[in-house]
Amino acid sequence: EAGVAQSPRYKIIEKRQSVAFWCNPISGHATLYWYQQILGQGPKLLIQFQNNGVVDDSQLPKDRFSAERLKGVDSTLKIQPAKLEDSAVYLCASSLDVEGTEQFFGPGTRLTVL
Amino acid sequence: KNQVEQSPQSLIILEGKNCTLQCNYTVSPFSNLRWYKQDTGRGPVSLTIMTFSENTKSNGRYTATLDADTKQSSLHITASQLSDSASYICVVTPISGGYNKLIFGAGTRLAVHP
Repeated sequence: EAGVAQSPRYKIIEKRQSVAFWCNPISGHATLYWYQQILGQGPKLLIQFQNNGVVDDSQLPKDRFSAERLKGVDSTLKIQPAKLEDSAVYLCASSLDVEGTEQFFGPGTRLTVL
Repeated sequence: KNQVEQSPQSLIILEGKNCTLQCNYTVSPFSNLRWYKQDTGRGPVSLTIMTFSENTKSNGRYTATLDADTKQSSLHITASQLSDSASYICVVTPISGGYNKLIFGAGTRLAVHP
């Protein structure tokens, strides 16, 4: 079974630039999550999708972050404009059900904002 | 406030030695507690998952214990190997109705030296 795919693996940008990350979940998984993991901390949930609908985006900084999952499969997370404090690893995860009984994580995208 | 705290923050051991990582949580009620291993530059991978009624679960050289009375969990690694060098994250799933938002600890960074 193929795992959660993410791209790019690494990205370096300057502050105020824009960046987008892509995630393809495990086939058949209805629920998709985007997490932000700052160095030395545990992952923080940014947004959770159930199919193409948003379940929870309470911790998403909506003034600069946006995410979509238009066809209920793959998803993109965008930051515009980026700030220095956005430097982190962005993890995508998926689970079969909305309860998140078992979440499978992708390798992450390491973002560095200069 | 639901919290998960892990100790120590970091640990260095010699190859072949045993070690124990600690996790204290205030999440209540909860449906399950998991330990994840996160290699550098990779996403977290599940090691063990225990429901609130279980008190031990093994996965090879990894053994997790759970004491629901004291709200403590531990991860014991036996006969450590260089490949055990990673961050170990304790994650608790609260019961909140509907979807469940995972509560992540900050992790323990383990370094196994030859």
